Amino acid sequence: GAGVSQSPRYKVAKRGQDVALRCDPISGHVSLFWYQQALGQGPEFLTYFQNEAQLDKSGLPSDRFFAERPEGSVSTLKIQRTQQEDSAVYLCASSWDRGSTDTQYFGPGTRLTVL
Amino acid sequence: KNEVEQSPQNLTAQEGEFITINCSYSVGISALHWLQQHPGGGIVSLFMLSSGKKKHGRLIATINIQEKHSSLHITASHPRDSAVYICAVSVAPDKLIFGTGTRLQVFP
Repeated sequence: GAGVSQSPRYKVAKRGQDVALRCDPISGHVSLFWYQQALGQGPEFLTYFQNEAQLDKSGLPSDRFFAERPEGSVSTLKIQRTQQEDSAVYLCASSWDRGSTDTQYFGPGTRLTVL
Repeated sequence: KNEVEQSPQNLTAQEGEFITINCSYSVGISALHWLQQHPGGGIVSLFMLSSGKKKHGRLIATINIQEKHSSLHITASHPRDSAVYICAVSVAPDKLIFGTGTRLQVFP
């Protein structure tokens, strides 16, 4: 594809449900990032993959959050037992090079609403 | 105190005006990014810089590493420039810290 895609674009979950958010990065991009953006705030770092290796997961807010990128391309962010405070837009970004000093290409985001 | 501060938070302008958005940071960085976010969420990278100045069309970004400060300028602003402009800094091999953004509205 031409850009980073995410699915679903919108997700409504009842509190306690598990959700899975998918990110398809630009083909060949080494780095993949997940961010969480609360309403009216800037994005906040969640986790970073270099190919299939999760090198940094320091931003994951709790052990209910889990991310994987098993083949170094598509990534999934899973949230177990969702809580209302998990409501946010989840953004995925990818870049050609390693690390955060390369231009990042962002997906459109998944807006998660937990009722 | 946030590690990345932007000012102003909100900005309105008349079409054609020269616009400046400021970003100050308090941590050591390896690069600084300026991003644009339109309503509906899509984020586009405008600039990444680690020194000096970059220009792209009507947009100019500058950074002063010693003063830990960057500015984004828009010349001859246009209503289509209306968006949220976000400053983000690379602070680790893999981490970006974002400012809260500056909401710009340009009126015809």
